[in-house]
Amino acid sequence: DIQMTQSPASLSASLGETVTIECRASEDIYNGLAWYQQKPGKSPQLLIYNANSLHTGVPSRFSGSGSGTQYSLKINSLQSEDVASYFCQQYYNYPYTFGAGTKLELK
Amino acid sequence: QVTLKESGPGMLQPSKTLSLTCSFSGFSLSTSGMVVSWIRQPSGKSLEWLAAIDWDGDKYYNPSLKSRLTVSKDTSNTQVFLKITSVDIADTATYYCARGLMGTLDYWGQGVMVTVSS
Repeated sequence: DIQMTQSPASLSASLGETVTIECRASEDIYNGLAWYQQKPGKSPQLLIYNANSLHTGVPSRFSGSGSGTQYSLKINSLQSEDVASYFCQQYYNYPYTFGAGTKLELK
Repeated sequence: QVTLKESGPGMLQPSKTLSLTCSFSGFSLSTSGMVVSWIRQPSGKSLEWLAAIDWDGDKYYNPSLKSRLTVSKDTSNTQVFLKITSVDIADTATYYCARGLMGTLDYWGQGVMVTVSS
């Protein structure tokens, strides 16, 4: 299985700040990576797919980048509604695997 | 409008078989490339992909649970099922189904909580 190592586990940031979450795969996943946002008590929602493509309806302050084994999610100008947990997922190979998650809070 | 909804027993005893149903609308599982996956999430933890079935009826399983999982779909392609045999406390989680297209899970159900307890 491909292991996904996500960091940091938690993050505290101020409104308007830019935050970055990283994900490292145990092998090359050829941009087969997605990012999800999950708010408390809700199901995950797709933000980014193919490492850098924005899913329909997702605000443009969210962006993804990376290649090979290293990927990142950036949130520009943090808003209060961005408080959530974020997960990366590789879909290059079955079984799909997820990162451990990053809990984003407001400072 | 794409919607998915999971249903299940809520609670069951250890060693029993867990049966889950994913009822969906707004897309056809017979469309080339379409997949429905099952994912679970213990409270406060990350997500674990369990199984998937695609438009062609091909099935994919997480090797860590493969011997206990069976995924299937109905002939009308509006429901997908997951069975997990010999459940124990570690199977307590919220179970989600999600539509997959080219690997991404672009629409998720609301999830169903399952508690395994004697």
